Amino acid sequence: DGGITQSPKYLFRKEGQNVTLSCEQNLNHDAMYWYRQDPGQGLRLIYYSQIVNDFQKGDIAEGYSVSREKKESFPLTVTSAQKNPTAFYLCASRFATNSPLHFGNGTRLTVT
Amino acid sequence: ILNVEQSPQSLHVQEGDSTNFTCSFPSSNFYALHWYRWETAKSPEALFVMTLNGDEKKKGRISATLNTKEGYSYLYIKGSQPEDSATYLCAPTNNAGNMLTFGGGTRLMVKP
Repeated sequence: DGGITQSPKYLFRKEGQNVTLSCEQNLNHDAMYWYRQDPGQGLRLIYYSQIVNDFQKGDIAEGYSVSREKKESFPLTVTSAQKNPTAFYLCASRFATNSPLHFGNGTRLTVT
Repeated sequence: ILNVEQSPQSLHVQEGDSTNFTCSFPSSNFYALHWYRWETAKSPEALFVMTLNGDEKKKGRISATLNTKEGYSYLYIKGSQPEDSATYLCAPTNNAGNMLTFGGGTRLMVKP
């Protein structure tokens, strides 16, 4: 079955450590997205990529980095520069500009 | 950052009631409007992608309308059922349509 896989489901890190969240899709989608959700808030866009080897900052990119070396994969690194990294992170992909997003199951990151 | 407002933030209705909620967005440079349903413990799933002013879309008991000139979309649920309980998110895109910015969502709870 095609879909988007995010791993792990739960992640715990100490403050000051970088951490990388995985997102893999086998839907042959060109575009991929990373969103963050905080309690009581909606989804905020961190980074997105329309094509391999290209990506753009979203609304809250500071403290994050991404890469898009393969069409299937769009990992997100939460760096120590991110002031409030504890959140729920959702990855999504879509086929074309007017196509809907397909979401992964999310990773809940806790930094203490 | 696109200013996207959804109202109300939350809504409690009885089973069988019909309900509607609003998504407001900047009308300038409009490209498309997405609606998603996000049930607890699941991933958001797409309901509609709308592009034309006056568009109306329907999926079972759920329908949506779009007014791009004044910058709003309505989502209607006819005869709400407990399984409709979820958070409903809208996401307009502008310009090239690549960047989806989500509103804060409307949380619907349907009591049996």
